Amino acid sequence: SQQGEEDPQALSIQEGENATMNCSYKTSINNLQWYRQNSGRGLVHLILIRSNEREKHSGRLRVTLDTSKKSSSLLITASRAADTASYFCAETDSWGKLQFGAGTQVVVTP
Amino acid sequence: GAGVSQTPSNKVTEKGKYVELRCDPISGHTALYWYRQSLGQGPEFLIYFQGTGAADDSGLPNDRFFAVRPEGSVSTLKIQRTERGDSAVYLCASSLYPSEGYNEQFFGPGTRLTVL
Repeated sequence: SQQGEEDPQALSIQEGENATMNCSYKTSINNLQWYRQNSGRGLVHLILIRSNEREKHSGRLRVTLDTSKKSSSLLITASRAADTASYFCAETDSWGKLQFGAGTQVVVTP
Repeated sequence: GAGVSQTPSNKVTEKGKYVELRCDPISGHTALYWYRQSLGQGPEFLIYFQGTGAADDSGLPNDRFFAVRPEGSVSTLKIQRTERGDSAVYLCASSLYPSEGYNEQFFGPGTRLTVL
C-alpha cells in the first residue's frame, strides 16, 4: 500500500521557474528519500535526508523535513526542460525498504 | 561499473502462464529489493533480500509470487498462474547494505509485464 502522499499530483511550469512539491508521510522514519523517474521506468536517487536533519541541498535541489508535521518538500530551482519527470518521496525503514507515494508529475516547458 | 540490469525488458504472456523475471544487481551490493509499479502509481515494495535470504517478503501479494537469490547476487522473481492484474512494471533495486536505511538504492530499468 502507498504510504506517503505527494502534493500536487501534477505541476506544469516554464523553464527558469522554481518547482515545489510536498510529501506527507504517516510513520516514524529513519530517513526520507526523493527519487526521479523518467518515462515510467527506472528511478534515480536524488537526495536523502535523515530524520535528524531539517534541510539539505544538492545542486539545484533543496529538501526540507519537518518531522513534527510528518512532511517534506522538494524544491527545484531554475528548472530546465530536462527536469520533466515524475518525482517520488519515499519513507525508509530500518531495513532500507522504500515506501513510495503516488508521485508528482512535473512538466517543464521551454 | 554496470548498473542494475533486468531481463527481459518486456514480457507479454497469457493468463495462467508462469513467468520469471531476472535481476542482476550491482556487483558487491548485498541488499536487493523488488518493487511493482502500476500505471500512475508509485512503486510498491514486494520483497527484500539481504545476501541469499529473504529478510522481508511482506509485500508479496499472494503465494503465486516467489523470489530467490541462491548465490546472493542474481535474483529471480517468479509468478505462477499469472492474472491480468499482475500486469505492471517490476523494478529491482540494490544497495550496498541497508544499515539503518542510510544507503540509496540503485534501480534497474524494470520489466514491463503484460498479462493478456
